[in-house]
Amino acid sequence: GAVVSQHPSRVICKSGTSVKIECRSLDFQATTMFWYRQFPKQSLMLMATSNEGSKATYEQGVEKDKFLINHASLTLSTLTVTSAHPEDSSFYICSAPRYSAYEQYFGPGTRLTVT
Amino acid sequence: DAKTTQPPSMDCAEGRAANLPCNHSTISGNEYVYWYRQIHSQGPQYIIHGLKNNETNEMASLIITEDRKSSTLILPHATLRDTAVYYCIVRVQGGSEKLVFGKGTKLTVNP
Repeated sequence: GAVVSQHPSRVICKSGTSVKIECRSLDFQATTMFWYRQFPKQSLMLMATSNEGSKATYEQGVEKDKFLINHASLTLSTLTVTSAHPEDSSFYICSAPRYSAYEQYFGPGTRLTVT
Repeated sequence: DAKTTQPPSMDCAEGRAANLPCNHSTISGNEYVYWYRQIHSQGPQYIIHGLKNNETNEMASLIITEDRKSSTLILPHATLRDTAVYYCIVRVQGGSEKLVFGKGTKLTVNP
């Protein structure tokens, strides 16, 4: 079964509003989680590293004030897309390493559509 | 982390072995080879990883050349459900846990 969940799976919002996406590790603790974005027919692009108890680390070119990340607990990280615009429409995926760094478990993804 | 090169697409007949190549000619001694796959509109799934020895699990086999400059992921009996994009990733174990995805290989298993 799934070990990393995301909520919601799909969301449609109006331009200018904010959207929060949750990522949960279901039966393990994750001090680190990762957020990716994927546009149609493209590969996953790492956006940021979410760190429990400290600030997120953002990849170059990702606006930290626009994509707010909060690692509230050892099983929950949230990504908030603030003042969303149509160009933010994408597939957002989170991941968390389990047991060790050998493998990571990915969430099922959240499809965001901004109208 | 070393760069990888994969063919953009491959086809395979159902029931036959699918052999997916990956070139990582600049790999260094402490870098592992990982394979993940992504079925359409889902999150990626871990398949297998290795350092220098060949590895096998319930999903696939990983063959790494002796010079470690390339590897092949083998799905021994491909099914339609194996149609996905397969990503070969090279990274240092114990370093940053983040994964950097290339473009991968789109494998289509045909009936």
